[in-house]
Order: sequence, then C-alpha cells, then structure tokens
Amino acid sequence: LQLQESGPGLVKPSETLSLSCTVSGGSVSGSSYYWGWIRQPPGKGLEWIGSMYYSGKTHHNPSLKSRVTMSVDTSKNQFSLKVRSVTAADTAVYYCARGLFGYCNDGDCYSPHFDYWGQGTLVSVSS
Amino acid sequence: SHELTQPPSVAVSPGQTARISCSGDALPKHSTYWYQQTPGQAPVMILYKDTERPSGIPERFSGSSSGTTVTLTISGVQAEDEADYYCQSADISDSYEVVFGGGTRLTVL
Repeated sequence: LQLQESGPGLVKPSETLSLSCTVSGGSVSGSSYYWGWIRQPPGKGLEWIGSMYYSGKTHHNPSLKSRVTMSVDTSKNQFSLKVRSVTAADTAVYYCARGLFGYCNDGDCYSPHFDYWGQGTLVSVSS
Repeated sequence: SHELTQPPSVAVSPGQTARISCSGDALPKHSTYWYQQTPGQAPVMILYKDTERPSGIPERFSGSSSGTTVTLTISGVQAEDEADYYCQSADISDSYEVVFGGGTRLTVL
C-alpha cells in the first residue's frame, strides 16, 4: 500500500488549504480501516488533524475548531483535506495515513493508530 | 483531550540500552503505539498494542506497560536508531480522538 499527498505548497493567510491523498495498492472503500491526516510544524511534533471512517463520519482535533473538512472520492481512490482560514500556525508537513483500530466492541472502536503513511508534503502559509 | 508526556531527549552510547517513557492518564484504557521518525522521513510504526512488533522491526525494540506509563526499550542501540520517537494513544473520554506524545529525540553518542 502506498499513499501520496498532493496539493499547493503555498497558501495565503485566510485562504483554504486543500490537499489530496492518492492511495495505490489498496482501496479507499474498505471497511476495516479508515483514513487520517496528521501534520508536523517545522521542528515540532506530530499533531493529529482528523480521521474519516467507512461510514462517512469524520472526527477531528478539537483544537482546529471545525476549520477542517475531510472527504473521499472513490472514483479516484483518493481522500482529501481542507483547512479553512489558515494562518502561519498552519504551516507544516502534512501527512496522510491509513488508520486502524486495536479492536471494536458493540459498535464502538478503541485504540486508533496508523500503519501506512504518505511521505508528507510541506505547506507554507504566507502572503 | 489529554496529553502524553515524553522526555524531550535521551542519549546513550552504542550497545547500551535506551528507555523512552510515555505517561498519560488514558494509557490504562487504550493501547499505546510507537513511531520512529528519522530526519526528512515519515513516521514508521515500530510497536503496536503496547508491546507487539510489526514484521520487519528488529527484536531490539520492545515495549512494556505499567499503569499510566508505557516504556519503549531499545536494547543494544545502534547508530541507525538515532531518531525521534513518538508514542500515540487515544483520548481518555473519546476513543476516536488520536493523541501523540511530544516526541523524544534519541541521540546515539
């Protein structure tokens, strides 16, 4: 399985950051896993942005205050991320990844994690 | 959300044992996963479910868990192990919310 991020490397403040992740060697439509986005500001640690599940539901980091939208395009075997109203603090390497749960029970799932990652793409926010 | 606390740095000589801790209130409830990140590369999962190694990960990497602390142990550290290590779990009250530790830079002296 391979994942590849794509999108503009430079976004102006207050505009929308848009990235896509193309999946090869597997399908975005599987129910056993989900798709996520993680970012890493220069010189800093990893920050989970959000995840999108087979059901179509999404879950995102509360710190991003609903600026995030995620979607999937099964015809292109891609999933996408949009972050609205960006500032310099959104400058980071953005990674897409395939997610799994440790286990699920009675409709709830636990221990989310990521087993395959894209190589990452740097997005800078600057005028 | 909750936090996972890691030491910012650990330094050991080649052949020695490195231990990297990760502490958080949610760790007794959720499994911990460890990722290794070398400069310019994407993270790679090196341990899952606290103690299990994915295929291809050397046996010198191991994990343990005790209460609210999990530990990544690297036995017989090699120069190639110099990297950043991140623990990852989930929020104590929202099992779908992913949380990463701040990361630990392992320096091989």
